[in-house]
Amino acid sequence: QITLKESGPTLVKPTQTLTLTCSFSGFSLTTTGVGVGWIRQPPGKALEWLALLYWDDDTRYRPSLKNRLTITKDTSKDQVVLTMTNMDPVDTARYYCAHNHGTHFDFWGQGTLVTVSS
Amino acid sequence: SSELTQDPAVSVALGQTVRITCQGDSLRSSYASWYQQKPGQAPVLVIYAKNNRPSGIPDRFSGSSSGNTASLTITGAQAVDEADYYCNSRDSSANHVLFGGGTKLTVL
Repeated sequence: QITLKESGPTLVKPTQTLTLTCSFSGFSLTTTGVGVGWIRQPPGKALEWLALLYWDDDTRYRPSLKNRLTITKDTSKDQVVLTMTNMDPVDTARYYCAHNHGTHFDFWGQGTLVTVSS
Repeated sequence: SSELTQDPAVSVALGQTVRITCQGDSLRSSYASWYQQKPGQAPVLVIYAKNNRPSGIPDRFSGSSSGNTASLTITGAQAVDEADYYCNSRDSSANHVLFGGGTKLTVL
């Protein structure tokens, strides 16, 4: 059974760096074809893909946020970490991590709400 | 193109059939997947690779594609199907992930 769970701060100040951790079980990020992605959803708005990390360490980022995002993995801990620099109130959103299999995200965490405010 | 376009809202009478569409150039070369999201919940994959259903998804959900348009069809919509639906694919270069703006489905 695949599960994912996001963790991190619920409140960050503008200009700070956000670090979110996705802890997963039921799969290995060393398995060919597997990836973990981060997707966010501002309150009342649509899903927005942020980043994707593959089993072979290949990474993909949302072009408009590429300069602010870093996605890494700790295979020994079954974790994927997303950092986003220079946070702004418009970055207030629920942040989800999800298991990626080819073209789709088939398992999602429950998400963690991050508010950016001074 | 790097966009997927969905109608903001669609309604359907209970038990009738509804089609939710997603348009984008990337759909000419990349399969669409569909997600259902109910208020306060995480998205749930309902269709992937054009017309495959994950385990546990009712067979009233189906997917199709033609040209630059992908469709999610619910045949015999139920009250529990009332939710937001999002399409997803890769961009034309297959390097980036795209999500549509979502369609709010109301079951009357």
